Amino acid sequence: NAGVTQTPKFQVLKTGQSMTLQCAQDMNHNSMYWYRQDPGMGLRLIYYSASEGTTDKGEVPNGYNVSRLNKREFSLRLESAAPSQTSVYFCASSDRGQRYYNEQFFGPGTRLTVL
Amino acid sequence: TQLLEQSPQFLSIQEGENLTVYCNSSSVFSSLQWYRQEPGEGPVLLVTVVTGGEVKKLKRLTFQFGDARKDSSLHITAAQTGDTGLYLCAGAYSGAGSYQLTFGKGTKLSVIP
Repeated sequence: NAGVTQTPKFQVLKTGQSMTLQCAQDMNHNSMYWYRQDPGMGLRLIYYSASEGTTDKGEVPNGYNVSRLNKREFSLRLESAAPSQTSVYFCASSDRGQRYYNEQFFGPGTRLTVL
Repeated sequence: TQLLEQSPQFLSIQEGENLTVYCNSSSVFSSLQWYRQEPGEGPVLLVTVVTGGEVKKLKRLTFQFGDARKDSSLHITAAQTGDTGLYLCAGAYSGAGSYQLTFGKGTKLSVIP
């Protein structure tokens, strides 16, 4: 099993460009999440999908949109990239999003730079 | 917003020494998890503690959940160079019909040979 995969691994954008970050999991998990990680800020939740067909905003959703394409795939879209969106983006999944012991499995991350 | 404060932010120790990392909050969490992250990779779960006062041991690592479920600690005995990495605590809380995690900012540990 590959676990959680993310594409691309690295990306450089110019301000105003758009792009979609892809995430897929092969663990048959119900819940999926998008985080960003910035130096000194820890991991912050952007959006999550508790189950197929539902999405909800997290702590820092502005400037992003998401699509839960099916149970396996959860994409994150930047419609008009800004330098403040330079970060490392992590996708995660969990089969216990409905449970209080919400253990999450993370992908390897996408390193995005916006010039 | 649920906040988790981790301390210290950075820790550099010699191989063989002991260390403790702390994770504190004013909020009560349903469970608390510890993750370790290597450079260029995603976080990997080490342990989940659920019950107030719970202590879990993973080889040389000892994890404790506070009685009030607001704080936790990670103690490493006889640190090895392989323990080097970023340690993150994460608290689970309920919102919008499911549980999410809020993460501390992490403790960057360097173990020097």
